[in-house]
Amino acid sequence: GAGVSQSPRYKVTKRGQDVALRCDPISGHVSLYWYRQALGQGPEFLTYFNYEAQQDKSGLPNDRFSAERPEGSISTLTIQRTEQRDSAMYRCASSPRASGRSFDGNEQFFGPGTRLTVL
Amino acid sequence: SQQGEEDPQALSIQEGENATMNCSYKTSINNLQWYRQNSGRGLVHLILIRSNEREKHSGRLRVTLDTSKKSSSLLITASRAADTASYFCAIYLGAGSYQLTFGKGTKLSVIP
Repeated sequence: GAGVSQSPRYKVTKRGQDVALRCDPISGHVSLYWYRQALGQGPEFLTYFNYEAQQDKSGLPNDRFSAERPEGSISTLTIQRTEQRDSAMYRCASSPRASGRSFDGNEQFFGPGTRLTVL
Repeated sequence: SQQGEEDPQALSIQEGENATMNCSYKTSINNLQWYRQNSGRGLVHLILIRSNEREKHSGRLRVTLDTSKKSSSLLITASRAADTASYFCAIYLGAGSYQLTFGKGTKLSVIP
């Protein structure tokens, strides 16, 4: 079956431009997560959706970053006025169950990521 | 920081040998997960161990969890060249939390 897909796989942009990164989760998955991964580091949490509700955006670095999942399926992470420090791999993950409960296994299925380079 | 910290940062072994990676963390958790990342590719979930479990097996993988020491280990037996990858532990705090918190990873190289 189809896994999590992300597009574009690579994005090169100039400083100051806006970018939109797309995530298509596994069909039927309730939870959707965005992470950012710097080279040589583990993924760092950005935001979480339970269906269309953004329940945690505590990891978004500043107000240039926003995310939406309007119909509870596909999600878009938008970075406005990009800066060089935004360059990283942006990863999306989905999970079949809602997160935040005591007995939630929370196994996550990751997409291939979008490599963003800001010149 | 609540994140898991893997040890060692890098490990190089011969094919057929066993590889052990360790993860330490600082807070009470609901579960701990191990993920593998091949060079330039996505993360793949390997195994999840809950806080009330002490050991879990999956094929050539064995994970232990010691909540009193706040540590976990991942053992890969009879390693293969295809096991070459970075391995990350990730902690899940449970109720009220939504995220996985990852460590920096252990880079494993298996030499044929």
